[in-house]
Amino acid sequence: RKEVEQDPGPFNVPEGATVAFNCTYSNSASQSFFWYRQDCRKEPKLLMSVYSSGNEDGRFTAQLNRASQYISLLIRDSKLSDSATYLCVVILRNYGGSQGNLIFGKGTKLSVKP
Amino acid sequence: EAGVAQSPRYKIIEKRQSVAFWCNPISGHATLYWYQQILGQGPKLLIQFQNNGVVDDSQLPKDRFSAERLKGVDSTLKIQPAKLEDSAVYLCASSFRASGLTDTQYFGPGTRLTVL
Repeated sequence: RKEVEQDPGPFNVPEGATVAFNCTYSNSASQSFFWYRQDCRKEPKLLMSVYSSGNEDGRFTAQLNRASQYISLLIRDSKLSDSATYLCVVILRNYGGSQGNLIFGKGTKLSVKP
Repeated sequence: EAGVAQSPRYKIIEKRQSVAFWCNPISGHATLYWYQQILGQGPKLLIQFQNNGVVDDSQLPKDRFSAERLKGVDSTLKIQPAKLEDSAVYLCASSFRASGLTDTQYFGPGTRLTVL
């Protein structure tokens, strides 16, 4: 079983649609969770962190369910500029005190059409 | 603020040749990472430096890959000899804190390597 698994995609949606991405992680020692966005032929950029209480940033809402080891990202009112690959990322607990490593999912490609 | 710099942006070599990539992290960032991203996959960590020391190189294929960060600032990643399966984008990232479990990593634009 892969450490981080995401919806296979691609997701092709019209402008204004609501789209949801799901992600599961296998290691219960995972401590921190993020969504990154990667545009075609560009580097990944942090979109948002994911907290147990759920968090929202404008049109984007992230949820974490530790019991089910499940993370989600909801995008409301999709824009053309949202077209990108969305990467689910977890960090394992690192008892050494240094930063744990980012473990990336394969990513889900979103294409928003006019 | 200048971002993470990488060079070259593109490199095409033949198998069995050697290649080196360079990364200059954001000024003041203690931690530097090299990732390999194969087409259709997420980035995979190769090596993590904290200042000039290696924190984690468990996924670095040490028979052919090497990396150094001698002065704790910029870093080089070398592949010698290259194989076809090394074709990928090599991403460098850096983060500010030398310790702590979470900190934003900033990625450079990457070096796209094609091995023929």
